[in-house]
Amino acid sequence: DTGVSQDPRHKITKRGQNVTFRCDPISEHNRLYWYRQTLGQGPEFLTYFQNEAQLEKSRLLSDRFSAERPKGSFSTLEIQRTEQGDSAMYLCASSPTGNYEKLFFGSGTQLSVL
Amino acid sequence: KNQVEQSPQSLIILEGKNCTLQCNYTVSPFSNLRWYKQDTGRGPVSLTIMTFSENTKSNGRYTATLDADTKQSSLHITASQLSDSASYICVVMTTDSWGKFQFGAGTQVVVTP
Repeated sequence: DTGVSQDPRHKITKRGQNVTFRCDPISEHNRLYWYRQTLGQGPEFLTYFQNEAQLEKSRLLSDRFSAERPKGSFSTLEIQRTEQGDSAMYLCASSPTGNYEKLFFGSGTQLSVL
Repeated sequence: KNQVEQSPQSLIILEGKNCTLQCNYTVSPFSNLRWYKQDTGRGPVSLTIMTFSENTKSNGRYTATLDADTKQSSLHITASQLSDSASYICVVMTTDSWGKFQFGAGTQVVVTP
């Protein structure tokens, strides 16, 4: 059990550029969540997958955001045409099959849009 | 309106002292409540998880209480250490089909020497 891994840890980009983040959940965890967290706030739900199926998306996830989990293992979150308001910590979490009460977080990707 | 409210927003305590953080929630239907510790620049780490029938749960110097009738929870930190400096987030899980989590905004705790 190596924990939830996120890459990169930090990303600085210019407004208008596209960015992509990767999340590797704990092995055999079939649920994977993406959250966004701004300073002084708790995580806000963005989307979640059960295996490769994206089952729910928050209204926070505008058309510029897209998430995939093509093989039911790792997931990517892409933000197109970044805006300064996208600056935040993007957290990934996973839950083990049949025990969805457990939620394990990665260390997050800190995005700064200049 | 956030369905999970935490207080205080922040607090500063001297090393070795105790403190108590509060969490009030309106989330329904209720499944369980957990407290997470989040160090700066890191992801949250689970401290305790309590179901409807549990009133208290401890994890070392951390003790959480739950009153499901009044929908209140507290996290008590005993004999604080410098490493306790972090944000403490209250999270409530519902019994919706996919187990939706509602997060509080957190209480920022600073422990000073």
